[in-house]
Amino acid sequence: AQSVAQPEDQVNVAEGNPLTVKCTYSVSGNPYLFWYVQYPNRGLQFLLKYITGDNLVKGSYGFEAEFNKSQTSFHLKKPSALVSDSALYFCAVRAPLSGGYNKLIFGAGTRLAVHP
Amino acid sequence: DAGVTQSPTHLIKTRGQQVTLRCSPISGHKSVSWYQQVLGQGPQFIFQYYEKEERGRGNFPDRFSARQFPNYSSELNVNALLLGDSALYLCASSLVGQGRTEAFFGQGTRLTVV
Repeated sequence: AQSVAQPEDQVNVAEGNPLTVKCTYSVSGNPYLFWYVQYPNRGLQFLLKYITGDNLVKGSYGFEAEFNKSQTSFHLKKPSALVSDSALYFCAVRAPLSGGYNKLIFGAGTRLAVHP
Repeated sequence: DAGVTQSPTHLIKTRGQQVTLRCSPISGHKSVSWYQQVLGQGPQFIFQYYEKEERGRGNFPDRFSARQFPNYSSELNVNALLLGDSALYLCASSLVGQGRTEAFFGQGTRLTVV
């Protein structure tokens, strides 16, 4: 069965430092992986996705993610954190439904706190 | 361009009541999915609709139902509300219900059951 784990409830980083938010997954077949960000009292905003191709995926707001098949990981990264990056981050994997349709399975989320 | 719009943004209901939540997808998107996000957890899949047909259902009781209209908008209905139904309900739209396209989410409807 498909699943996603985000091992850290919270990540703290100083502004200007690099950040990493971790995600590991379990899927049968090829993984379709996503990162979303959620600001307070808001819905989810799409950041980036991995479908196939290069293991380093670039997304919105300077974020990127590294896909590692052997470690079944899809960590979110940013070279230089901003205070405005403080939010809740969700990793998700696409899981199949019958008839070729699919749904998203989300991790529990990681709260990123960037300190000035 | 308008994103996914949900209404209402906030709602307070009493146990045992019924509630209807509404979602308008991005123009051109034919697939709508609903998710429930309980405080402190990741979103959980409830339904997916594509071309007005239910294409998938999550592990939710029959009190939860949904439909999609010819204009691709959607409604989520919850009957006999329980305190545990209090959550943020998210609607997501995508071009199609399968393949490699990402889902775009609305701002959600915050339902509080008292």
